[in-house]
Amino acid sequence: DTGVSQNPRHKITKRGQNVTFRCDPISEHNRLYWYRQTLGQGPEFLTYFQNEAQLEKSRLLSDRFSAERPKGSFSTLEIQRTEQGDSAMYLCASSLEVGAEAFFGQGTRLTVV
Amino acid sequence: GQNIDQPTEMTATEGAIVQINCTYQTSGFNGLFWYQQHAGEAPTFLSYNVLDGLEEKGRFSSFLSRSKGYSYLLLKELQMKDSASYLCAVRKGGATNKLIFGTGTLLAVQP
Repeated sequence: DTGVSQNPRHKITKRGQNVTFRCDPISEHNRLYWYRQTLGQGPEFLTYFQNEAQLEKSRLLSDRFSAERPKGSFSTLEIQRTEQGDSAMYLCASSLEVGAEAFFGQGTRLTVV
Repeated sequence: GQNIDQPTEMTATEGAIVQINCTYQTSGFNGLFWYQQHAGEAPTFLSYNVLDGLEEKGRFSSFLSRSKGYSYLLLKELQMKDSASYLCAVRKGGATNKLIFGTGTLLAVQP
């Protein structure tokens, strides 16, 4: 296992289109996080899964955003009716239940034109 | 509320030592993390403090004072490859253990 994997690395989409990103965490990690990062800012928490259960969603996550982790392994983040303000780097991270640190994927850079 | 402050930018010279400070005010605390992030790449873990004091890890050390809401990251023997953004993050307690990040400090190492 080489770490947290995210696909695609880059996505350019037209405003109003739907997009879906995938995250494959480190295999034994049962905690999975999604963060969003804009230029010059630190990552902002979006949502958290423990196994397949989505236990917390940030108020940043509007109704257009939905995340799933159906089998407690990979996760998807979908954005419906994208807006230009959704342009950002979307980062996924995973950690062990009792581990100290979260490991981040390379991120998916979304550009909405 | 929660607030994490760190300088926006710093410049240092190759071979020197630099200290990046971070102050925080958060509701809930379960550890402070430092991550390094090169442009366009993922944050990578550098250090973790949950108790007061200094943690040393090679050229990198991190200090925490919980009573003062203060941490610093110390980088010694700076190398050009250390030019990056350094992110201070507080881990909230509870079921989520999510990280709350500062805006990051962009460090430029000059020859």
